[in-house]
Amino acid sequence: DADVTQTPRNRITKTGKRIMLECSQTKGHDRMYWYRQDPGLGLRLIYYSFDVKDINKGEISDGYSVSRQAQAKFSLSLESAIPNQTALYFCATGTSGSYEQYFGPGTRLTVT
Amino acid sequence: GEDVEQSLFLSVREGDSSVINCTYTDSSSTYLYWYKQEPGAGLQLLTYIFSNMDMKQDQRLTVLLNKKDKHLSLRIADTQTGDSAIYFCADGNMLTFGGGTRLMVKP
Repeated sequence: DADVTQTPRNRITKTGKRIMLECSQTKGHDRMYWYRQDPGLGLRLIYYSFDVKDINKGEISDGYSVSRQAQAKFSLSLESAIPNQTALYFCATGTSGSYEQYFGPGTRLTVT
Repeated sequence: GEDVEQSLFLSVREGDSSVINCTYTDSSSTYLYWYKQEPGAGLQLLTYIFSNMDMKQDQRLTVLLNKKDKHLSLRIADTQTGDSAIYFCADGNMLTFGGGTRLMVKP
């Protein structure tokens, strides 16, 4: 089984809808991250969490919110989706002892 | 903020060496990383280098770091078709990523 899972893997939604992307990990890592990937722009950090009670904004947090429900779960919400949020979204995990991150398979989100 | 830049595309023939380049602006990072993304998949760590090193070799991979010029490169020896992917360099504690270099290996 995969160590970092994301659900759904693909989602098409309409402008103005609320949507939640979920991430779960079995690695026992304390740190979790959400990134979005756009062609030619690499990955940009949306939010990150170093433990259950810690939430931090990344480079592009506007229009997004997160919830760290447990050490193993970190969800990303789009309160009112807009077309320029169409992208590939990745969850990643890590530990305080290393900067290496472990990525989930990604969620492809399309906002029409 | 931190800026990490890469060229977008590289095409090589199978068996040749590939060199993917990256420039960065933050000189305080402890580590610099190379990640590989295959089609339809997430990123996987390929290799990394400590900022106090100039070179690191790991089988077919050689990472060169020029701290003065803030330049990082990844050399893949004897490139194979299975090496076709997008390669990302990443810098900084929060892993600021470059835009990715798409490597195409022609048989």
